[in-house]
Amino acid sequence: AQTVTQSQPEMSVQEAETVTLSCTYDTSESNYYLFWYKQPPSRQMILVIRQEAYKQQNATENRFSVNFQKAAKSFSLKISDSQLGDTAMYFCAFESDYKLSFGAGTTVTVRA
Amino acid sequence: GAVVSQHPSWVICKSGTSVKIECRSLDFQATTMFWYRQFPKQSLMLMATSNEGSKATYEQGVEKDKFLINHASLTLSTLTVTSAHPEDSSFYICSARGQGTFETQYFGPGTRLLVL
Repeated sequence: AQTVTQSQPEMSVQEAETVTLSCTYDTSESNYYLFWYKQPPSRQMILVIRQEAYKQQNATENRFSVNFQKAAKSFSLKISDSQLGDTAMYFCAFESDYKLSFGAGTTVTVRA
Repeated sequence: GAVVSQHPSWVICKSGTSVKIECRSLDFQATTMFWYRQFPKQSLMLMATSNEGSKATYEQGVEKDKFLINHASLTLSTLTVTSAHPEDSSFYICSARGQGTFETQYFGPGTRLLVL
């Protein structure tokens, strides 16, 4: 079974600043998908960004970007120019056999 | 696109009753649907995977007779919590995955269940 580790339970960032969330995973597979999902107070899970393991280029979606280090099994998320609406719980997830395994989550609070 | 709905969003029931939760993919056909459970400030725990027209596959430790899953069509899956008890109170989330190999799971808004 895949394990996903998020070692930062909580992070706080000033509006307009940058914050980086860490995620590591353990797998013996060579091809897989990694995701970051956001869960705001409404509890709706929202896909933030997706990375395919066979692609070396780091995925980017507007203010969100990842640093994917396959050999180190690391998949961190950088939120640039943080906005108040970014306040949420962020989950790192690994997909295997179409099933997602989630990390414990990191609560991000953006301060005005 | 890729919208998933859940109904109801909130349900309160008495202990011993059964509750049905619906999950619908509104604008795509979902080959596979997933049901998760989430406790406050915790992560999502996969309960079961359902494929249209076949029996659901339950994760270890999930009672299949307690949590009945039916995936009757490519747009609808239902989770029935049978003989609910207070310990079944939780937030239940479904997700749906399209038919392509590289599809992504899209999540419903969740259903909050409170068993009194």
